[in-house]
Amino acid sequence: AQKVTQAQTEISVVEKEDVTLDCVYETRDTTYYLFWYKQPPSGELVFLIRRNSFDEQNEISGRYSWNFQKSTSSFNFTITASQVVDSAVYFCALRGIIQGAQKLVFGQGTRLTINP
Amino acid sequence: NAGVMQNPRHLVRRRGQEARLRCSPMKGHSHVYWYRQLPEEGLKFMVYLQKENIIDESGMPKERFSAEFPKEGPSILRIQQVVRGDSAAYFCASSPGTQYNEQFFGPGTRLTVL
Repeated sequence: AQKVTQAQTEISVVEKEDVTLDCVYETRDTTYYLFWYKQPPSGELVFLIRRNSFDEQNEISGRYSWNFQKSTSSFNFTITASQVVDSAVYFCALRGIIQGAQKLVFGQGTRLTINP
Repeated sequence: NAGVMQNPRHLVRRRGQEARLRCSPMKGHSHVYWYRQLPEEGLKFMVYLQKENIIDESGMPKERFSAEFPKEGPSILRIQQVVRGDSAAYFCASSPGTQYNEQFFGPGTRLTVL
């Protein structure tokens, strides 16, 4: 079965600190896709990134960066110089190619609070 | 280019009533997915539909829940005889086809059962 684990339920840091959100996944598919979504207090889901299993290059987008390590089945998300507007619940998700090919499997989410 | 639209955004029902949640996918998208988010939990897949077909309903509760995506009009998630445990946020997502991997989410419908 596919599974996504976000062990950190809540994280609270002071503005301008760096923070890393952990994501560990399980799948038997050899090809799969990993995603991060942001859910701000307003409730909508905002797509942040998609990573293919065959592309292990890390990615940086402004203050956001993602570290994909296939060897440890992890896809961690780092926010550098955090800001109050980054406060949200962040979800990591997995989508396989064979097992349940069309559905996203979400982790439980990490509630991130950035304090001024 | 409008995104995925869901209505109503908030829905209040009394126990035993019916709830109908509507989802209009993005223009050009023929694949629709429904997810449920219980309070303080992640999203759970419910059902995947293409026009006039249910492709995967492995996440749907066996009773009281049904979904459709007719040839014309929005996708409908229907919950009959609602109970308090149905209170949740229901998200719809759409995609253009199987070769695409992004699912674009709507703003969600928050169902409260009194």
